[in-house]
Amino acid sequence: NAGVTQTPKFRILKIGQSMTLQCAQDMNHNYMYWYRQDPGMGLKLIYYSVGAGITDKGEVPNGYNVSRSTTEDFPLRLELAAPSQTSVYFCASGEQGYEQFFGPGTRLTVL
Amino acid sequence: GENVEQHPSTLSVQEGDSAVIKCTYSDSASNYFPWYKQELGKRPQLIIDIRSNVGEKKDQRIAVTLNKTAKHFSLHITETQPEDSAVYFCAASSFRRRNRDDKIIFGKGTRLHILP
Repeated sequence: NAGVTQTPKFRILKIGQSMTLQCAQDMNHNYMYWYRQDPGMGLKLIYYSVGAGITDKGEVPNGYNVSRSTTEDFPLRLELAAPSQTSVYFCASGEQGYEQFFGPGTRLTVL
Repeated sequence: GENVEQHPSTLSVQEGDSAVIKCTYSDSASNYFPWYKQELGKRPQLIIDIRSNVGEKKDQRIAVTLNKTAKHFSLHITETQPEDSAVYFCAASSFRRRNRDDKIIFGKGTRLHILP
């Protein structure tokens, strides 16, 4: 099992550009999450999904969008990137009430 | 809304001593309490968890205690070693089988330094 995979590992964007962060899991988990982690800070929930076709906003959803068309994939879309979106983005999957498995993260810089 | 408070934000202990990190939660429906360790530049990984029907759980040098009445839980690391240096996150969640209201709330983290 690959677990949770994320691409790309690193990305530099210019202000106003858009991009999609990819996340996939092969553990057949219903729950998937997107977090951002600013330097030296904790995890902030951006969006989450309790199953295919269902997505909900977390703590900091502004500037982001998600979709969940399959159980395996949960891409995060950044529209009109801003310097405030410079962060490390972690995708995670699991079942509620059990361990969350995190991906390796995507380090994004917006200049 | 639901909240998880974690203290201290930074903790330095001598190698071989014990470390204790404390968390309090606000949602009385919370019934699952995991602890994650994040080493520098890496992803968070689960180190231990506890459910609301249990008061204490141990795994070698790590233990977690839960007081549901007071809504607080703690992580205890004994005989600390250099490889214990990391950021530790507590979390609290409730689960009702794919209920959209189910959330996991993380504390802000504790940076643990093990001093030689």
